[in-house]
Amino acid sequence: DSGVTQTPKHLITATGQRVTLRCSPRSGDLSVYWYQQSLDQGLQFLIHYYNGEERAKGNILERFSAQQFPDLHSELNLSSLELGDSALYFCASSGTSGGETQYFGPGTRLLVL
Amino acid sequence: GQNIDQPTEMTATEGAIVQINCTYQTSGFNGLFWYQQHAGEAPTFLSYNVLDGLEEKGRFSSFLSRSKGYSYLLLKELQMKDSASYLCAVRSIYNFNKFYFGSGTKLNVKP
Repeated sequence: DSGVTQTPKHLITATGQRVTLRCSPRSGDLSVYWYQQSLDQGLQFLIHYYNGEERAKGNILERFSAQQFPDLHSELNLSSLELGDSALYFCASSGTSGGETQYFGPGTRLLVL
Repeated sequence: GQNIDQPTEMTATEGAIVQINCTYQTSGFNGLFWYQQHAGEAPTFLSYNVLDGLEEKGRFSSFLSRSKGYSYLLLKELQMKDSASYLCAVRSIYNFNKFYFGSGTKLNVKP
């Protein structure tokens, strides 16, 4: 158990819909990272927040957005969902802004039908 | 741009030693990471190299040569539970430490 929690564990929805994925980092960790992992693309870095501020952006679509709240939990919002958005979404946390050791949550498996 | 290459799949025997290579081309290199990921599970951190040389952690060691853009992960005394994917990731100092992951190497350990 990494100490990072993600909800929900599984999500099934339809194209065009909007969903919110939630992540709670390990106690004391200020950094939260979001990743997408699909079968054909491997692990893709989406976005990094540090203490409430966006720090780095990866291959995140405009339909996706994220934020980190004062209590340090983070949410990833996915809108206008497409079939290709079906993937495992991981959140990871670290104690520093550099992220030397990232601890991954169990992931949210999203299926868009 | 960023480019990270690792073999797609490898097979090794229980008790043996296996080396998984990773080559990269990254602007603003600021560290290389190895993760282990069992099927359907989250990646778990194995090692971090930012300076040249070998880092040893029990049965696992990781090596880095920045001038060659090359790293390897060495697994000794292989166990069946080591069957997993091994992900090489590089951090770039540009864009506030963005991470780039390789596609992963699937390691099959056979009895």
